[in-house]
Amino acid sequence: AQKVTQAQTEISVVEKEDVTLDCVYETRDTTYYLFWYKQPPSGELVFLIRRNSFDEQNEISGRYSWNFQKSTSSFNFTITASQVVDSAVYFCALSIITQGGSEKLVFGKGMKLTVNP
Amino acid sequence: DGGITQSPKYLFRKEGQNVTLSCEQNLNHDAMYWYRQDPGQGLRLIYYSQIVNDFQKGDIAEGYSVSREKKESFPLTVTSAQKNPTAFYLCASSMGRGAYEQYFGPGTRLTVT
Repeated sequence: AQKVTQAQTEISVVEKEDVTLDCVYETRDTTYYLFWYKQPPSGELVFLIRRNSFDEQNEISGRYSWNFQKSTSSFNFTITASQVVDSAVYFCALSIITQGGSEKLVFGKGMKLTVNP
Repeated sequence: DGGITQSPKYLFRKEGQNVTLSCEQNLNHDAMYWYRQDPGQGLRLIYYSQIVNDFQKGDIAEGYSVSREKKESFPLTVTSAQKNPTAFYLCASSMGRGAYEQYFGPGTRLTVT
């Protein structure tokens, strides 16, 4: 099966705390891509990052960082010094190739993060 | 501004009526997608289209139909055959093959009573 598991459904933290969102994936492909999206209360999904399976370097963008480990099939997302504006639902996704040769994304069920002041 | 527009933001219909949700993009993207989001379910793919005049069923296509007559437009019709149509519908587009990231519209919240 090709799927994404976000075991945490909801996390609540106090502002300035660090928080890590877990993502575990399963795929039979040797080449694949992983994504993180943010869905604020307005509803529109915002693209955060794309990572290909050949690049295991960690990535940092401001307060956001991502840790990709093929050995454990994980692509975890850490927010440092969280802020109220980080409150949202976060989705991890995996690109897969269909039998017909098309590409599509498989999403995890999402993790709701609430950052309290 | 380049982006994806979905209209309307909220839509109410009576059971038994077909309803069409609009999705337009001016990003010159080849691929377009429709997702359904229910509470606690994440996003599930309804239909997708890699090029004009071609589209494929996603994971939950039953009760839905689409068309892709123009590159910038990918309307979704929710038919009366869809048993539980009340949901949040999201449209997305991407550059196409190559696992490019998808960009999403603001969504349409459909309520059927």
